[in-house]
Amino acid sequence: DIHLTQSPSFVSASVGDRVIITCQASQDIDDLLAWYQQRPGKAPKLLIYAAATLQGGVPSRFRGTGSGTHFTLTIDNLQPEDLGSYYCKHLDSFPLTFGQGTRLEIK
Amino acid sequence: QVQVVESGGGVVQPGRSVRLSCAASGFPFSRYGMHWVRQAPGKGLEWLSVIWYDGSDKYYADSVKGRFTISRDNSKNAVYLQLNSLRAEDTAVYFCARGSKAAAGALDIWGQGTMVTVSS
Repeated sequence: DIHLTQSPSFVSASVGDRVIITCQASQDIDDLLAWYQQRPGKAPKLLIYAAATLQGGVPSRFRGTGSGTHFTLTIDNLQPEDLGSYYCKHLDSFPLTFGQGTRLEIK
Repeated sequence: QVQVVESGGGVVQPGRSVRLSCAASGFPFSRYGMHWVRQAPGKGLEWLSVIWYDGSDKYYADSVKGRFTISRDNSKNAVYLQLNSLRAEDTAVYFCARGSKAAAGALDIWGQGTMVTVSS
């Protein structure tokens, strides 16, 4: 099974800051990675797929990069509504797996 | 309105079974693969299972293989998850999600989840 390791597990940042979350895969998954946002008490929401493609309706301050085994999610100009948890998930092969998550706090 | 709505959760005794349902609407259900994902209280997301658009193929996470069974009824626009031999560690919110064709198979439509509590 493919293991995904996210870092950091927790980040606290201020409005307007840039936040970078990384996701490391245990083997080459090309660009078969998605990022999800989960606001407190809500269902997850797809942000980015194919490592770098923004899902429709997602603000352009979210950006995904990477391929192979190393991926990043960058949030520019952090906004209060960005509070929540962020997860990477691969789509390379079954079983699919999520990273352990990164909790984002707004200072 | 494109949506999926889960139901069937509740309090279940250890060792017992429960069937979760997910009702889809607003899109051609029979053309999409469907997934189940769960989240234990205060924990991260765990992918559980997928069923192909026509039910021809199914995959499971190792943690539930042999105990959980996914199925679908395209005539009812519904997908199901049968949970057997339930354990305390199966306590979680269970989400149903659509596998997007446009988004390379990523999960683009999610329900609000249904809570399963395994407790005597």
